[in-house]
Formats: sequence, structure tokens, C-alpha cells
Amino acid sequence: EVQLVESGGGLVQPGRSLRLSCTASGFTFGDYAMSWFRQAPGKGLEWVGFIRSKAYGGTTEYAASVKGRFTISRDDSKSIAYLQMNSLKTEDTAVYYCTRDLGTVGPDWFDPWGQGTLVTVSS
Amino acid sequence: SYELTQPPSVSVSPGQTARITCSGDALPKQYAYWYQQKPGQAPVLVIYKDSERPSGIPERFSGSSSGTTVTLTISGVQAEDEADYYCQSADSSGTYWVVFGGGTKLTVL
Repeated sequence: EVQLVESGGGLVQPGRSLRLSCTASGFTFGDYAMSWFRQAPGKGLEWVGFIRSKAYGGTTEYAASVKGRFTISRDDSKSIAYLQMNSLKTEDTAVYYCTRDLGTVGPDWFDPWGQGTLVTVSS
Repeated sequence: SYELTQPPSVSVSPGQTARITCSGDALPKQYAYWYQQKPGQAPVLVIYKDSERPSGIPERFSGSSSGTTVTLTISGVQAEDEADYYCQSADSSGTYWVVFGGGTKLTVL
């Protein structure tokens, strides 16, 4: 069974950092791109960023709202994708989801999704 | 910015057909995808590339495309189909990688 499990969420003060992890199983992690999304309380889905597979350079793309503050990386040997979040703002409060991305050159479509991890940015 | 427009809500009785639309200028050139999200749960892909159904998704879910509008159709709606549904696509210029509609709340009366 293809499965994604996020971890690392919690309460953090504005301006601080947090790193989320996404542990994958049930598929060859290194063959796929990965994307992160978030969903603020009561709001819709927002794409955060994307990391290509090593076959496509392992490079990243980000939404304008997080570019320069968030960094996505991957460890194919451990089947883990990371979302490093720096300079957090109260508006970053959301449930964060990782997904397997069926795109290659760029983010495309997403299946499956992890269960999500809640990040609350508050003083 | 590029936007996908969905109706905020759709209501149907059990056994009826629900149709949820999504409009966007780039949809004639870009595939659309549909996700179902039940309260407190992660989204689930129900339709990909306009009209393809992933394995494990009931046959009552179907998708279609016509011009600048794509439609998710749920035939013979069941109580368990009550959820938020989001369409997703991209703009045709490559500026906006991933765009979601605002979501449609499907209520089964």
C-alpha cells in the first residue's frame, strides 16, 4: 500500500523555524517528485512547493507566498521528504500535507496524500 | 493571477445525480483533476486528466470537459459522498504551477 506519513508539526512562535518530515512507503520513493500543500483552518488547498526526482535534477519550485522562507529537500535512502520552514508567520498556520507528485518536470497531479500535520504559529 | 471557479455548494438527494462545475480560461489546454475531502481527512484523488478514474474510486464518479468548463458528475449519490470537492489545474503560460478552485461543498439531503 502506498502511504505517506507527515510528522513534525506543532506550536511555534512567529519568526521561528520548524521542519516537517514526510515518510513514504509502498513505492520507489526516488522515482517520484513530491509536493507539499497546506490548508489554513476553514480554507481551501494551497500548493506550497515541489521537489523533482533525482532523475530530473532534484530541484525545487515554490509558491510565491513561501519562496525564500521554505525549503524542500529529500533523502531517497530513507524515503523521506522534508519541508524546512523559516521565519514563520501567523498566516502560515495550517495543516500541512505531503503528496506523491505524478509530474516530472513540474508539479502536476497528486496521489496519495498524507494525513497531514498541524502547524500553529502563535506567540 | 489565474483562477478556477467552482460553485460554493451543491445539494442533492440520495440516488440523484450531482454535477459540480469548474471554470477556467486555460482548461481547454490543461488537464483538470478532482479531489474529495471529507471533514478532518486528507484529500483523495477521484478524477485525473479530466475524465480518468483512479483504481478504487467508485464508478459513480466521472469527469468531463467542454471548452473552459470541466464537470465532476456523481451518479446515484450516496450519503458517504458528502464532502468538499476541489478541482485543480494549471495556467497555460507556465506561471502558475498548481491552481485549485475554491471548493464545492456537496450536501446530501
